[in-house]
Amino acid sequence: GAVVSQHPSWVICKSGTSVKIECRSLDFQATTMFWYRQFPKQSLMLMATSNEGSKATYEQGVEKDKFLINHASLTLSTLTVTSAHPEDSSFYICSAQDRAGNTIYFGEGSWLTVV
Amino acid sequence: QKEVEQNSGPLSVPEGAIASLNCTYSDRGSQSFFWYRQYSGKSPELIMFIYSNGDKEDGRFTAQLNKASQYVSLLIRDSQPSDSATYLCAVNGAGANNLFFGTGTRLTVIP
Repeated sequence: GAVVSQHPSWVICKSGTSVKIECRSLDFQATTMFWYRQFPKQSLMLMATSNEGSKATYEQGVEKDKFLINHASLTLSTLTVTSAHPEDSSFYICSAQDRAGNTIYFGEGSWLTVV
Repeated sequence: QKEVEQNSGPLSVPEGAIASLNCTYSDRGSQSFFWYRQYSGKSPELIMFIYSNGDKEDGRFTAQLNKASQYVSLLIRDSQPSDSATYLCAVNGAGANNLFFGTGTRLTVIP
């Protein structure tokens, strides 16, 4: 199946710093990528949808100035958590949709711990 | 936000039995339906997708779709302990790129 790679798989950062997470579609072009957050024992929560070359669409309650999303190419989207706080500690997962729009594939996820 | 509902479980079945996972959705215009498996601490992994009414089989897995009842299910035959995970139902609405997820059903297969 299609491969979506996320990096880093885990990161620990200090409160107040910024962290960037990359999401790459390795063997297909993804016009649309999605970013999710998942707290322990909870379901996936969609944060934003990003389309290549345009601004991301954020879900209600997600601060766009705090969670910066860039989708500069058909194979790469980045999520930057700015001025991270301990409550931002979570499992962040990206997914990418192939150009045919048929299926969405997930990255491996990135564990963020803010101390 | 479209509603996708699943029983949260946990659902426990003995090894070798059939596990039945159910999902209902509220948007009658939904076109595509997916089942993902998520192991603890890992990202969701696509198991199956189904677009048409009826059954779709892949190995030990069978997805069943009934659009009139707005119901999609996943059957796992000959359940194995390695099938123990959370199973997420996802629905892609008409004209929508995004997937809307249920909260997941936790399945435990008892050896």
